[in-house]
Amino acid sequence: GDSVTQMEGPVTLSEEAFLTINCTYTATGYPSLFWYVQYPGEGLQLLLKATKADDKGSNKGFEATYRKETTSFHLEKGSVQVSDSAVYFCALSPSSGGYQKVTFGTGTKLQVIP
Amino acid sequence: DSGVTQTPKHLITATGQRVTLRCSPRSGDLSVYWYQQSLDQGLQFLIQYYNGEERAKGNILERFSAQQFPDLHSELNLSSLELGDSALYFCASSKGVSGANVLTFGAGSRLTVL
Repeated sequence: GDSVTQMEGPVTLSEEAFLTINCTYTATGYPSLFWYVQYPGEGLQLLLKATKADDKGSNKGFEATYRKETTSFHLEKGSVQVSDSAVYFCALSPSSGGYQKVTFGTGTKLQVIP
Repeated sequence: DSGVTQTPKHLITATGQRVTLRCSPRSGDLSVYWYQQSLDQGLQFLIQYYNGEERAKGNILERFSAQQFPDLHSELNLSSLELGDSALYFCASSKGVSGANVLTFGAGSRLTVL
């Protein structure tokens, strides 16, 4: 079945540091890939997405590129802020089938210190 | 406010009891999803409904059931509750069943079983 593997946290960075959170996936065909973010006490919300190979999703300074050859969708940000402290989830959704069973990774907690 | 409304926000009950969690999807969304988030198992997909019909089933226990009503709201029923059912239960909605659809999450219902 489909699966998503992302790096374990917590990840602690100083403000303005470079962020990478690794995500790899296993799926048949060409799934859509997502990064969701969960701030403390809230539900998940979409950060960015990519629906085909070599697509780059970007939002709020975060970027991730859909790499079919390495089955990866790593999240990056050039300069993190304290407000980026949250849990980040990588997810995939099947490309077809008449249903949308979105599979999430285990989440990576990011803590940014001033 | 994401537009997805979940009630109740918090629920404390005893083992063996039954509870019902309610979800109203975002206006215009036809799909509803239920997820369970616990510390040791991450975010687990339970079930998906589209326009009143069950579309996909995940790791949902037989003690749990769900349905989507004609007005598109959904209910998740949890019965014969056990301590291990304590978790955050999220509802999410999307417009359709395409793999590229973005899920919009509610704030969650926190269930504590004592």
